[in-house]
Amino acid sequence: QKEVEQNSGPLSVPEGAIASLNCTYSDRVSQSFFWYRQYSGKSPELIMSIYSNGDKEDGRFTAQLNKASQYVSLLIRDSQPSDSATYLCAVNRREEKLTFGTGTRLTIIP
Amino acid sequence: DAGVIQSPRHEVTEMGQEVTLRCKPISGHNSLFWYRQTMMRGLELLIYFNNNVPIDDSGMPEDRFSAKMPNASFSTLKIQPSEPRDSAVYFCASNYPGQGYANYGYTFGSGTRLTVV
Repeated sequence: QKEVEQNSGPLSVPEGAIASLNCTYSDRVSQSFFWYRQYSGKSPELIMSIYSNGDKEDGRFTAQLNKASQYVSLLIRDSQPSDSATYLCAVNRREEKLTFGTGTRLTIIP
Repeated sequence: DAGVIQSPRHEVTEMGQEVTLRCKPISGHNSLFWYRQTMMRGLELLIYFNNNVPIDDSGMPEDRFSAKMPNASFSTLKIQPSEPRDSAVYFCASNYPGQGYANYGYTFGSGTRLTVV
């Protein structure tokens, strides 16, 4: 079992709709959870972090964490073509290093 | 702040040659990470340093890979000899760990695209 699993996609969503990206992790002692966005040919960019169960909202982005189910998700409301990218889920335990999923490729269709 | 600076941006080398990748972390960040990204395996952690000391090098593929951090503002990743399977994008990232773990997430450099022919 991979430490961090994501559906590789591609996920296609119409412009203006809600995009839902999912991630599961295997280590129950994981403490911090991050979502990175990576445009083609660019480096990963941190867009959301979440540490406690529940929802965390930042503009059009909402991160959701359920530690009991070992599940973290990212919702993108009012999807824009500029949201088309690969989204990486990352998890860390009681240490600094982050373990990344392989990413979900998201395409917003105008 | 100039962010995490990596050089070179692109490197093409012949099999068997030595390759050195360079990284300057964000000033004040005391943790530095080297990752490798391929289509097949995604982002893999190679090694990370805290206060210039290597903490975890379990991801270094083999003895051909070595990394150093002689001071807080500079790190190198060296591959000697290079092989075609080393072709990948190599990212450096830095972090200020706050309470001792990745509280704030990393900041990545622009990466070095390495091609070994």
